Amino acid sequence: DGGITQSPKYLFRKEGQNVTLSCEQNLNHDAMYWYRQDPGQGLRLIYYSQIVNDFQKGDIAEGYSVSREKKESFPLTVTSAQKNPTAFYLCASRTGVGTGELFFGEGSRLTVL
Amino acid sequence: SQQGEEDPQALSIQEGENATMNCSYKTSINNLQWYRQNSGRGLVHLILIRSNEREKHSGRLRVTLDTSKKSSSLLITASRAADTASYFCATKIVGNEKLTFGTGTRLTIIP
Repeated sequence: DGGITQSPKYLFRKEGQNVTLSCEQNLNHDAMYWYRQDPGQGLRLIYYSQIVNDFQKGDIAEGYSVSREKKESFPLTVTSAQKNPTAFYLCASRTGVGTGELFFGEGSRLTVL
Repeated sequence: SQQGEEDPQALSIQEGENATMNCSYKTSINNLQWYRQNSGRGLVHLILIRSNEREKHSGRLRVTLDTSKKSSSLLITASRAADTASYFCATKIVGNEKLTFGTGTRLTIIP
C-alpha cells in the first residue's frame, strides 16, 4: 500500500543532542512538508520541499534542518539550537500538480528530558 | 500567526445530532481544505472547496465557503461516536505553495 512512513513514533532526547526524524513516501509525490504540532496551536510549517535537492524554510525553521537527496525521503533534524523541541512532528506529501491535498504520516512524538 | 481560526475550539454533542464548525481566514485563497485528526495520529484529508465554489458535499459532510466574509463551515450530519476527533481547516493562499492550518475544533460525540 502506498503511504508515508514516519519513524520513530516516539523519541526521547537529552538536552543538547541532535535528533533526526525519518519520513519516507512511496506515493511518487514531488512535494514534502514538515509540520510541528503543539497543543492548542494547530500545525505550524517548519520546512517544505517541492523538488529533489531543493527546500524552503517555513514559518518556524530556526533550530531545524532538512535534506532532500531522494524523492522518497525528507528527513528532519532537530538540532540543539531548537529551544523548545518537545512536540508532535508530522510529515506530509502531495503531488506536484493539482489541488494541493496533503497526505500525512502518523507522526513522531519527541520529548526532551 | 495562524491564517485560519476555527470556532468553536471544542464541541460536544449527542450521537445522531449535527455538528457544525467554522473557519475564518485572513487573505485571498485558492482553496480551503478540511482535515480530521484522531488523537495521536496523522491528519486525514476530508474535503476541498475551491475559491469559486460555494458549497460541496461528501457523504455526511457539507462544506460552505463565503469568500466575501473569508469564512467556511463544515457540517457533519447524523454524527456517530467514530466522528470524535479534531477537525482542522487549511488554506492555500494565492501565489503561495504552503498550506496553512488553523488551530482546530475538538469534536466529542456522546453515545
